[in-house]
Amino acid sequence: NAGVTQTPKFRVLKTGQSMTLLCAQDMNHEYMYWYRQDPGMGLRLIHYSVGEGTTAKGEVPDGYNVSRLKKQNFLLGLESAAPSQTSVYFCASTQTPGASYEQYFGPGTRLTVT
Amino acid sequence: AQRVTQPEKLLSVFKGAPVELKCNYSYSGSPELFWYVQYSRQRLQLLLRHISRESIKGFTADLNKGETSFHLKKPFAQEEDSAMYYCALRVSSNTGKLIFGQGTTLQVKP
Repeated sequence: NAGVTQTPKFRVLKTGQSMTLLCAQDMNHEYMYWYRQDPGMGLRLIHYSVGEGTTAKGEVPDGYNVSRLKKQNFLLGLESAAPSQTSVYFCASTQTPGASYEQYFGPGTRLTVT
Repeated sequence: AQRVTQPEKLLSVFKGAPVELKCNYSYSGSPELFWYVQYSRQRLQLLLRHISRESIKGFTADLNKGETSFHLKKPFAQEEDSAMYYCALRVSSNTGKLIFGQGTTLQVKP
């Protein structure tokens, strides 16, 4: 039982390049979230999904897109990377908000955009 | 406005000293608050939630609705408590969305 995994762990991009971050969970969780972590800013929600085939915007969605084609996977895409997107990205999942409320986090992806 | 504020970026104490990590929130509804912790080279994990009124690793946190606070306390800090601590507020019961504070780094010196 791996929990929440994220691929890749590290990535360096040049401005304008695109990439996709993959989050996978093996806990059969319905709800999944993408956050970014920046010094002094805490974690901020980018996008989230309340089930397969659904996505919604969070607090800071600009410049990102997401897809949830399979229940266990939640993809975060950067179409044209900018230096302001240099951050650590965390994925999280939870069964249902009404149950234990706990979000389980992945190990993070450190992205640098030059 | 929905907001979580952790006023201290860094809190440095000696081993055995009491610890209090401050968290204040702004929320119009009935708040549900959590403390998450991130130890070095580990992923973020739930430490405790106010609804459970539990004590985990010697830490407790009491919700004070009058002062809109949810401070995390431990009477005697240990070196292994050194970590980044985040206070979080659940702002939607349908989606489970959380708002996090800026985080406080706790450094426990020997």
